[in-house]
Amino acid sequence: SQQGEEDPQALSIQEGENATMNCSYKTSINNLQWYRQNSGRGLVHLILIRSNEREKHSGRLRVTLDTSKKSSSLLITASRAADTASYFCATDERGSARQLTFGSGTQLTVLP
Amino acid sequence: GAGVSQTPSNKVTEKGKYVELRCDPISGHTALYWYRQSLGQGPEFLIYFQGTGAADDSGLPNDRFFAVRPEGSVSTLKIQRTERGDSAVYLCASSLTSGENNEQFFGPGTRLTVL
Repeated sequence: SQQGEEDPQALSIQEGENATMNCSYKTSINNLQWYRQNSGRGLVHLILIRSNEREKHSGRLRVTLDTSKKSSSLLITASRAADTASYFCATDERGSARQLTFGSGTQLTVLP
Repeated sequence: GAGVSQTPSNKVTEKGKYVELRCDPISGHTALYWYRQSLGQGPEFLIYFQGTGAADDSGLPNDRFFAVRPEGSVSTLKIQRTERGDSAVYLCASSLTSGENNEQFFGPGTRLTVL
């Protein structure tokens, strides 16, 4: 079963604009991770944020985590056409055997 | 270094047939995971190995699905009597350990099509 929901399901922006994607989840977590996937294959790990962290940066990526609201956001600044992909959040649930529980994803299209 | 590899990249089979999907994890990674991804959805957990043993197989949909990892490295996912609903991309991931906050590295997946 899917843990949470990404919002929006699809997002289309112009190159250079910022893209924000949100993720909500349901249970207590050890960490939350964001992945990118191109053309339905090859998940690429973007960033991991621990449950005791509130914000994390990596290059043009900024991730926030609000455990009280059970939500996270991924911000991609100065987007490029190459950022076009599906983005998934995934949670490592407390008490689990370390498997990840993924949301349903946001399809981002960056127009040149 | 080499990442997670999966073979075959594509598999087309007929309903009722048996298939095997292979995963080669990153060398030295003790934890290995299988996920299944249907079109338009996020990956769903199937089974997790710590070493040679299946630590959690709660995601396997039914007893037609089985996975092994006999030497603690390569893993094979086996599907008996395939059904059209088994069509999906099967993803394998590995991580250095199964401790908290360990990144999982994914392979490119095997796209299974059951006709």
